This record gives sequence, C-alpha cells and structure tokens, in this order.
Amino acid sequence: GQNIDQPTEMTATEGAIVQINCTYQTSGFNGLFWYQQHAGEAPTFLSYNVLDGLEEKGRFSSFLSRSKGYSYLLLKELQMKDSASYLCAVKDSNYQLIWGAGTKLIIKP
Amino acid sequence: IAGITQAPTSQILAAGRRMTLRCTQDMRHNAMYWYRQDLGLGLRLIHYSNTAGTTGKGEVPDGYSVSRANTDDFPLTLASAVPSQTSVYFCASSDGTGLGTQYFGPGTRLLVL
Repeated sequence: GQNIDQPTEMTATEGAIVQINCTYQTSGFNGLFWYQQHAGEAPTFLSYNVLDGLEEKGRFSSFLSRSKGYSYLLLKELQMKDSASYLCAVKDSNYQLIWGAGTKLIIKP
Repeated sequence: IAGITQAPTSQILAAGRRMTLRCTQDMRHNAMYWYRQDLGLGLRLIHYSNTAGTTGKGEVPDGYSVSRANTDDFPLTLASAVPSQTSVYFCASSDGTGLGTQYFGPGTRLLVL
C-alpha cells in the first residue's frame, strides 16, 4: 500500500528553527509537495521537490532524498503566524496526490 | 472572482437526504478534484476530472457522484447522505499537467445527522 508518515504534532519557540520530517512509500514518484493549512482554512501550497536536494524559498526550505523516501520542511525565524498544520503529499505513478495526515505545529512565545 | 469558490460554506443535513456541493473555478484549469478531510486522516480523494467531460474515481468514491459538463464547474452529489459522510469537503484544481500544483477552495463543512 501507499503510505506517508509525518509526526502528529510539534512544538517550537518563536524565533527558532523547526524541521518537519516526512517519509513516504508510494507506487511511483512524480514529486513531493508541502502545504500549509491554518485551522479552519484550506491548504495552501508551500513548496515542491522533484529532484534530490534543497529548495529554498524565504524562511521556508524543503529537502528531498528520493533514494531514502524522505523529505523535510525547514522553517526558520519562526513567527506566531506559522502555527498551522503542515501537509506532506506525494504524486504517485498515476499523478494522483497521496497525502500525509499532517503535522500540527504549535509556536510558543 | 479569482480562484476557486465552494458552496455552501457549511450545511447540516438529515440522513437520507440528497445534497450537491458546488465548486467553481475561474483559472481555466483542466483538472479538478474533490477531497474529504477527517480529523487524524490525510486528505482523501473522492473523485477527480482531468478535463471537461471526463471523471474518475479516487480512493473513497462510494456514496458520491460527480459531473464535469464544462471547465469551470465540478459539483459533488451525495445521493443519500449517511452520518459517516460528515466531514470537511475541499475542491481543488490544477492546470492538468503531470506536475501541476493543486489549488484549493475554502471548503464545505457538512454534518449529517
């Protein structure tokens, strides 16, 4: 079967750095996505990786290792508004997105 | 409008009733999707459409039907609602290329009693 694993919940301090991990086992791989979802709102696109390595976009970076079936999302200089759920999703061989259950990130002052 | 709209925002529905959730996008995206999101679970694909006139079944299609008469609209129908269909429903669209990013509507919160 297909599976995406992420930690259920993480806590970090305002101004700090946090890394959210995602491991996956899917039938085929056509890219990995990270989305942010604030409580009661829709998911919004953050980043996309299809090749191994690090993609940086402002305070957010995403890393991919296809051989290890592993990705992480790195958030720097955390702000209170970063409190949200972060969803990892993999596009499989049928080009359908398989979603993890999401990691709820709690930022404390 | 710009993006994806969904209606209604929320609904309380008696079991056994028929309900259509509406989704409209103005980005001229070829592909559209319906997901449900339940606490502790990832987004699960119900149905999808790669282009107007075609639809396909996702991971959890039972009890739901869709149609895609044109590019902009992708309604989801619950023929006879059951309590297990209580969920948050999100519509999404993408430009339909293999690696196209999906963009989501604001969601419909449905409670079936």
